Amino acid sequence: DAKTTQPPSMDCAEGRAANLPCNHSTISGNEYVYWYRQIHSQGPQYIIHGLKNNETNEMASLIITEDRKSSTLILPHATLRDTAVYYCIVVISSGSARQLTFGSGTQLTVLP
Amino acid sequence: NAGVTQTPKFQVLKTGQSMTLQCAQDMNHEYMSWYRQDPGMGLRLIHYSVGAGITDQGEVPNGYNVSRSTTEDFPLRLLSAAPSQTSVYFCASSYLGLAKETQYFGPGTRLLVL
Repeated sequence: DAKTTQPPSMDCAEGRAANLPCNHSTISGNEYVYWYRQIHSQGPQYIIHGLKNNETNEMASLIITEDRKSSTLILPHATLRDTAVYYCIVVISSGSARQLTFGSGTQLTVLP
Repeated sequence: NAGVTQTPKFQVLKTGQSMTLQCAQDMNHEYMSWYRQDPGMGLRLIHYSVGAGITDQGEVPNGYNVSRSTTEDFPLRLLSAAPSQTSVYFCASSYLGLAKETQYFGPGTRLLVL
């Protein structure tokens, strides 16, 4: 699976959009980009995923560049409860293993 | 649905003791897995299962055994606990299929081995 690079930490004002970048320059054509978050040592929580097109759900939007070498997770109106470590993960779903390789992630702190 | 449940929430063991961490899911997911997370680090895959009666090793399997007798349950056994196994353990489950599945994680079991 391709490796990802994320900034170690970011701050965001409450109510503003939080834009979390992720670099995955070695991604291959059949690898998906997933985003999870982990709030204060709880179990990781799925946020969103995509392959080529931009995606949006009730939690966030995912913008993937045309060359697929980077992506941005957007939380449109960040709240204090969005303070968490956000993981960008590239995963190929072949064979049996569904291993999610969690790196260090980005610690997002939403400030009041 | 209760989702993925784990018991116990917290456990203290002495070196050499054995124990079983329980994991159950009520979503009829074929795939289940165990991860461990050490302080300040990401999760690492210990073992996984793609269905009842089928298990396989992940990245860090040494010191752990698993079995999958039912779709719902996937216990993790520590045969002889060591201080290096002090960690937070997460169980996860998902459907099999194409890459659009997502994994659902339990709340974790915090294990301290003295």
